[in-house]
Amino acid sequence: DAKTTQPPSMDCAEGRAANLPCNHSTISGNEYVYWYRQIHSQGPQYIIHGLKNNETNEMASLIITEDRKSSTLILPHATLRDTAVYYCIVRVDFGNEKLTFGTGTRLTIIP
Amino acid sequence: DTAVSQTPKYLVTQMGNDKSIKCEQNLGHDTMYWYKQDSKKFLKIMFSYNNKELIINETVPNRFSPKSPDKAHLNLHINSLELGDSAVYFCASSSGQFDGYTFGSGTRLTVV
Repeated sequence: DAKTTQPPSMDCAEGRAANLPCNHSTISGNEYVYWYRQIHSQGPQYIIHGLKNNETNEMASLIITEDRKSSTLILPHATLRDTAVYYCIVRVDFGNEKLTFGTGTRLTIIP
Repeated sequence: DTAVSQTPKYLVTQMGNDKSIKCEQNLGHDTMYWYKQDSKKFLKIMFSYNNKELIINETVPNRFSPKSPDKAHLNLHINSLELGDSAVYFCASSSGQFDGYTFGSGTRLTVV
C-alpha cells in the first residue's frame, strides 16, 4: 500500500470546520483513500472513502485533488466528540486487502 | 445490537500463562481480522480470516494462534504470554465491499 503523510496534531474550535490534510503522492490508480478515526480507548471507526471524486456522507466530506496526490477530510461543524486520532489510509479495494494504519493526526476540538 | 463484540474487555495475567480472546460479529461479513495496538498506539494487523480460512498472517509469533469455528467468530489464543504481549487487541470484520471495516471495542491485555 502507498504511504501517507499527515500532520501529527491539529486543533480546531468547536463549531468550526475541521480540515485534516493528507498527502499520498505515490498513490496508484487503483487505490482508494480511506479515513478512519479512533476516539480514545475505542476501536477505529470508518468515516469515508473515495477514489477520485469528492465524497460526502453524514459524518464528513472528502476532497481529493485532481492529481490524487493529496486529500482533505472535512468535519463541517466540529464538536467535542470529534476529538480523536484521524487516520488517512490508501489501499486497493478488492478482495479483503488489509488496512495499514500510519500514525494519524490527533485532532483536538477546543471549546 | 453490538456489531463486533470482543470478550473480555480487560485481561490481566501473569507471564507464561495461556489466554484466549473471543470475537463475534453479527454483520454477516465474510472476513475477520485481529489487530494489535501497542503502547505507542501503532495499530498493526496480525491475522485475517475469510470464511474460516487464514489469508493474512503478518509474521506473528507462533505463540499466537487464531481460530475461526465459523465465519462469525474469530478467536485469538495466546500461549506462554510475555510482557511484550501487553497491548490492546482489536477484532474487526469486513464484507470485502466498499464499506470499510467495523472494529470491536478492544481487549486490553496486561501481562505482569
